[in-house]
This record gives sequence, structure tokens and C-alpha cells, in this order.
Amino acid sequence: KNQVEQSPQSLIILEGKNCTLQCNYTVSPFSNLRWYKQDTGRGPVSLTIMTFSENTKSNGRYTATLDADTKQSSLHITASQLSDSASYICVVSGTNAGKSTFGDGTTLTVKP
Amino acid sequence: EPEVTQTPSHQVTQMGQEVILRCVPISNHLYFYWYRQILGQKVEFLVSFYNNEISEKSEIFDDQFSVERPDGSNFTLKIRSTKLEDSAMYFCASRRAPGQHNEKLFFGSGTQLSVL
Repeated sequence: KNQVEQSPQSLIILEGKNCTLQCNYTVSPFSNLRWYKQDTGRGPVSLTIMTFSENTKSNGRYTATLDADTKQSSLHITASQLSDSASYICVVSGTNAGKSTFGDGTTLTVKP
Repeated sequence: EPEVTQTPSHQVTQMGQEVILRCVPISNHLYFYWYRQILGQKVEFLVSFYNNEISEKSEIFDDQFSVERPDGSNFTLKIRSTKLEDSAMYFCASRRAPGQHNEKLFFGSGTQLSVL
């Protein structure tokens, strides 16, 4: 069964600090892995997209890594801001980017 | 940045009633999706739609659900006879091109459906 496991479930950090979120998956075949940021009551917003051949992708203060051999990805946030407080969701797609498997998300809280 | 628009933002209905959730995808997008998120749970795929037909659907998307693109701009999700367990946030999403696995998927802000 295709699964996406994220850790930690929740995380609290101080403003300005860095953090790393983890995603392990068992989706096969593999097409791409996406990280989304979801604010409470809002739709997910795409942060990064990585295909099989990509090891790292950056979007501002967000850097995602992918190890397709071990089926692991991470999302690193540098110099966190209060506005980074949200749920971060890892989504893995097989052959169709729509029928994807979503992780449960990591709830990040950034405190002043 | 272009946006996917969903209306209404909140919908309250009685069990057994029909509801139609509306979405306006980004204008040059060709692939459309519906997802739902039950409170406190993960986002779940419902259906994808391309070239005026369903391309994939999940086991959640049973005979009570249907989708339609009635004109060149709207994409709707209909639930024929709502059940309590249909209460969730429903997200519409779209992307530009089929077959491009690194295409960005754009989500709307969602419609919160409450079935009483």
C-alpha cells in the first residue's frame, strides 16, 4: 500500500532558528515528490517539486532534498519567521500528479 | 500569481440534500482535481478530470459524487444526497498540462461543507 510518513508530527521553534522536517514514502512507481505549506483553513500552496533525478530543490528559505534510493525527503527551513507557522505536507505521486498520496503533515509553530 | 477560485467558502446543508461546490480553475489549465480534507485528517484525492472526462477517481468518489465542466470556466463537484460523513473541506486544484510530472498544482482556498 502506498504510504507517506512524516515526522515529527509537530514542532515548535523560536523565530530565526532553522528546522528540518522529514518524509518517508513507499509509493511505487514514483513520479515526483512535492512539499506544500498549508495555513489553517486554506488550500495547500506548493513549495517544491522534485522528480526522480533531482536531489535538491530550493525556494527561498525552503530547501528540499530527495533520496530516491532510500525513499526519503526532507524540507529544511532556514531563519524561520512567524509566518512560517503552518502545516507542511509531503505529497508523493506515482504516474499521475493528481492521484497522489498525502502525508499527515508536520505542524510547525514559530514563536517569537 | 494566478489563483483557483472556489465558491462558496462555507456551505451548510441538511443530510440527504444535494450540494454543488463550484470552482474556477486557472484559465489556461487543462487538468482539474477535487480533494477533500476531513477535520484533523490528511488531504484525500477524490477525482481528476481532463478533456471533459474523469481520468482517475478514488474509492471515496462513489455514485453519490459527480463532476462537471458546464462551460469554459467552471468545474463543479456535486454530491447528490449528502451524508454526515461528507462534512469536510473540499479543495479544487488545477494544473496546466497533462503528462508533465513536475507541473505545479494550484489549490483553491476550499469550501467547508457542513452536513447537519
